[in-house]
Amino acid sequence: DTGVSQDPRHKITKRGQNVTFRCDPISEHNRLYWYRQTLGQGPEFLTYFQNEAQLEKSRLLSDRFSAERPKGSFSTLEIQRTEQGDSAMYLCASSLGLAITDTQYFGPGTRLTVL
Amino acid sequence: TQLLEQSPQFLSIQEGENLTVYCNSSSVFSSLQWYRQEPGEGPVLLVTVVTGGEVKKLKRLTFQFGDARKDSSLHITAAQPGDTGLYLCAGHDSNSGYALNFGKGTSLLVTP
Repeated sequence: DTGVSQDPRHKITKRGQNVTFRCDPISEHNRLYWYRQTLGQGPEFLTYFQNEAQLEKSRLLSDRFSAERPKGSFSTLEIQRTEQGDSAMYLCASSLGLAITDTQYFGPGTRLTVL
Repeated sequence: TQLLEQSPQFLSIQEGENLTVYCNSSSVFSSLQWYRQEPGEGPVLLVTVVTGGEVKKLKRLTFQFGDARKDSSLHITAAQPGDTGLYLCAGHDSNSGYALNFGKGTSLLVTP
């Protein structure tokens, strides 16, 4: 049984660099979500996809953040011109896509450190 | 503004003790979920409660959803060191659509 996978697990970068994270959802899941979690906080929703369509992106933190899911399978989250405040855990989740209350299954996250 | 308030924020107890953590909101939720998260890992779903007044048991863990669907509690009986982790409640309210709203979590430490 393969759950949600994320790559890389850890990323250290210098301020101003671009970074890209990948998420592979559970294979039969249509919906894919991105969240950010900072220290001492619960995960904060960023965006989600239904298949390849990005249906909610107004909660992306700034225009430096973008996400894609080109073929409705894996997804990437890119942060351009990283800032120290972008340091956080970036979590991906997926769900079947039958109802709003479908269980969201989370991946292990990518820990980003911006120096 | 945090939609879901969790208390206590931190809890340190000895093995064998019982504990209850709370998740409260002024909003009505169509469902509430409880997750446990270990350091450096993603949240793992423990339970989903949907019906007001619902009680679900998962071994030593008992989850309750308030009658008005605005609050929930998690009770652990005879806590074990393996229960250590961050317990998060999350839910969908009428405005959040598919986004899960999370509380800040309760960090639990169970010492032998």
